[in-house]
Amino acid sequence: DGGITQSPKYLFRKEGQNVTLSCEQNLNHDAMYWYRQDPGQGLRLIYYSQIVNDFQKGDIAEGYSVSREKKESFPLTVTSAQKNPTAFYLCASSQLRSGVLNQPQHFGDGTRLSIL
Amino acid sequence: AQRVTQPEKLLSVFKGAPVELKCNYSYSGSPELFWYVQYSRQRLQLLLRHISRESIKGFTADLNKGETSFHLKKPFAQEEDSAMYYCAPPHNQGGKLIFGQGTELSVKP
Repeated sequence: DGGITQSPKYLFRKEGQNVTLSCEQNLNHDAMYWYRQDPGQGLRLIYYSQIVNDFQKGDIAEGYSVSREKKESFPLTVTSAQKNPTAFYLCASSQLRSGVLNQPQHFGDGTRLSIL
Repeated sequence: AQRVTQPEKLLSVFKGAPVELKCNYSYSGSPELFWYVQYSRQRLQLLLRHISRESIKGFTADLNKGETSFHLKKPFAQEEDSAMYYCAPPHNQGGKLIFGQGTELSVKP
């Protein structure tokens, strides 16, 4: 069954600690995305990647890092520099068509990150 | 900058009442807009896209270029329609997807 898998479902971070959120897709999609969802603020784009070994910053990239070593994987690291990391994180993917990103996105179930 | 605006954070209606979730966009060119829905404890999923002109779960959305709107409508709301709804264009400006702020729809019995 094709889809996007995010893990873990819940994650706790200690002060000064980096944590990594996993996102895997078996949809053979070219593009992958990370969003942060906060109450009353909708979805905000953190990072996105259109192709392996390449990624771009979104609107709120500070304090986060990503890698795209494989097409199916796009892990997000929340670094200690991110001062307000408590949020719900959503990963998504979409197909590219003729180099134009105009396809709908498929989302994972999300990871809820909290501070200890 | 290209923007999508959902002016209502919360919309509360009674079961059987019509519902309209507003979405306004501000960019040039031919927009292609989507509505996404997030039911409680479920993942965000595509509800409909204007290009297909489909009706999903009784919802429709018409693109109004004159008013730059893409409002989501349903003539008779059901309790199971209670969810968060996001309006979004697809990718633009090099791949960045911009979602609206989202509207929480609450359908009361």
